Amino acid sequence: NAGVTQTPKFQVLKTGQSMTLQCAQDMNHNSMYWYRQDPGMGLRLIYYSASEGTTDKGEVPNGYNVSRLNKREFSLRLESAAPSQTSVYFCASCRDSHEQFFGPGTRLTVL
Amino acid sequence: AQTVTQSQPEMSVQEAETVTLSCTYDTSESDYYLFWYKQPPSRQMILVIRQEAYKQQNATENRFSVNFQKAAKSFSLKISDSQLGDAAMYFCAYRSAWGATNKLIFGTGTLLAVQP
Repeated sequence: NAGVTQTPKFQVLKTGQSMTLQCAQDMNHNSMYWYRQDPGMGLRLIYYSASEGTTDKGEVPNGYNVSRLNKREFSLRLESAAPSQTSVYFCASCRDSHEQFFGPGTRLTVL
Repeated sequence: AQTVTQSQPEMSVQEAETVTLSCTYDTSESDYYLFWYKQPPSRQMILVIRQEAYKQQNATENRFSVNFQKAAKSFSLKISDSQLGDAAMYFCAYRSAWGATNKLIFGTGTLLAVQP
């Protein structure tokens, strides 16, 4: 039981490049989330998926897209990376009204 | 919209002593959940403790306890007998009990240092 896994752990991009952050959970959770963490800002919600087949915007969705591929997987895509998207990205999942479980995070640097 | 405020960017405690981290929140809802998460240098987010707003009794998990004051919208975390492994960033978080989204709203965090 791996919990929530994220790939890659680290990534460096140049401005304008695209990439997809992958997230998978093996806990049969319905809901999945993408957050970004910036110094002094806490974690802010980018997008979430309350159930398979649905996605909704969070607090800071601009510049991102998501795909809930199936119940296990929820990916985050940066189509044209910008330096303002330099951050640590966390994926999380939860079952119904229970607490969220977090992945180990991806540190992304955009030059 | 709900907000969570952690007014202490950094705190320090001596090993074996007790420390209290503060959190206040703003909401018009009557039913919700509150959480404290710990983030050590490894970056992993670890749930420390959870409180349901409808419960008057304060939650306790071993050396960790909360002081939940619903009317004051305050949710502080007390760490007793502090250990070196408690050094981490601590985040307070709010979640509405309504709807199916289970979205968390985080405070900005308190960095706790534990002095030997």
